[in-house]
Parts: sequence; structure tokens; C-alpha cells
Amino acid sequence: DGGITQSPKYLFRKEGQNVTLSCEQNLNHDAMYWYRQDPGQGLRLIYYSQIVNDFQKGDIAEGYSVSREKKESFPLTVTSAQKNPTAFYLCASSIMGPGANVLTFGAGSRLTVL
Amino acid sequence: QKEVEQDPGPLSVPEGAIVSLNCTYSNSAFQYFMWYRQYSRKGPELLMYTYSSGNKEDGRFTAQVDKSSKYISLFIRDSQPSDSATYLCAMGIQGAQKLVFGQGTRLTINP
Repeated sequence: DGGITQSPKYLFRKEGQNVTLSCEQNLNHDAMYWYRQDPGQGLRLIYYSQIVNDFQKGDIAEGYSVSREKKESFPLTVTSAQKNPTAFYLCASSIMGPGANVLTFGAGSRLTVL
Repeated sequence: QKEVEQDPGPLSVPEGAIVSLNCTYSNSAFQYFMWYRQYSRKGPELLMYTYSSGNKEDGRFTAQVDKSSKYISLFIRDSQPSDSATYLCAMGIQGAQKLVFGQGTRLTINP
């Protein structure tokens, strides 16, 4: 079945550590996205990528980094510079062009900083 | 002021009731309007997709867009306990890759 796989599902991190969240899709979608979800705040865009080896900052990119070396993969690194990293992180993908607004989401990764 | 406003609830109704979920927005350039459903500890899934003003029906769900009032609604008829979830509205502009999401409304349908 086609879809998006995020791992790990749950992650605990000590303050000062970087962590990387994995996102893999087999939908052959060109565009991929990372969102952060906090209670009462909806989804906020961290980074997105429309093509391999290129990505753009979203609304809350500070303290995060991404790479897009393969079309299928878009890992997110939460760095120690992110002041409040505890959140639910969602990866999504879409086609380009007409229908680009329709996102397919993964199941999410919950990060807790101890 | 947020670009998209959605009452976070929580909203609790008895089984069989008609549910109305709403979002208002400020950017008149929005052309695409979506509703996503998110079960607890899962990713959102697309429920309804509409383009410009008007109504769209899919089974027990009806999406309504009023661009003149900058207001969108999702109606759920004959609500079921399985409809208990968080509902997120989302909006986009043609040619722009980014969506703007509302805060999400947590809905509980009581048997």
C-alpha cells in the first residue's frame, strides 16, 4: 500500500541533544512537508521541499534542519537550538501542480524533551 | 489576528445529532478549502475538498463555503461515535504550495 512512514513513533530526548525524525513516502509525490502540531495551535509549517536537493523554510524553521537527497525521503533534525521542541511532528506529501493542496500525512512522531 | 480561526472546542454531542463545525478566514485569496479528520495520536486524513464557494456533499458530510463572508462549515448528519476526532480546516491558494490550517476542533459523539 502507498503511504508515508514516519519513525520513530515516540522519541525522548535530553536537552542539548539533536534528534532526527525519519519520513519516507512511496507515493511518488514530488513535494514533501514537515508540520508541527501543538495543542490548540493547529498545524504549523516547518519546512517543505518541492524537488530533490531543494527545500524552503516554513513559518517556524528556527531550530530545525532538513535534507532532501532522495525523492522518497525527507528527514527532519530537531537541533538543540529549538527552544521548545516537545511536540507532535507530522510529515506530509503532495503532487505538484493541480491538486497540490491535497496533503497525505504520515502517522506522526511524538517528541518529548526530558 | 490569525489568518484562519477555528473554535478549538471541545464539542460534545449525543449520537444522531447534527454537528456544525466552522472556520473563518481573513485572506480573500484563498481558493481551496479542505476539512481534515484526525483521530487521536494519528495523522490527519482528508475528509472534504472544495474549490471556491458552494456546497459539496459526501454521504453524511456536507462542506459549505461562503467566500463573501469568508466562512466555511462542515456539517455531519446522523453523527456516530466513530466521528469522534479532531477536525481541522485548511485553506490554500492556487499555485502556492503552502496550506494554512485552523487550530482544530475536538469533537466527541456520545453513545
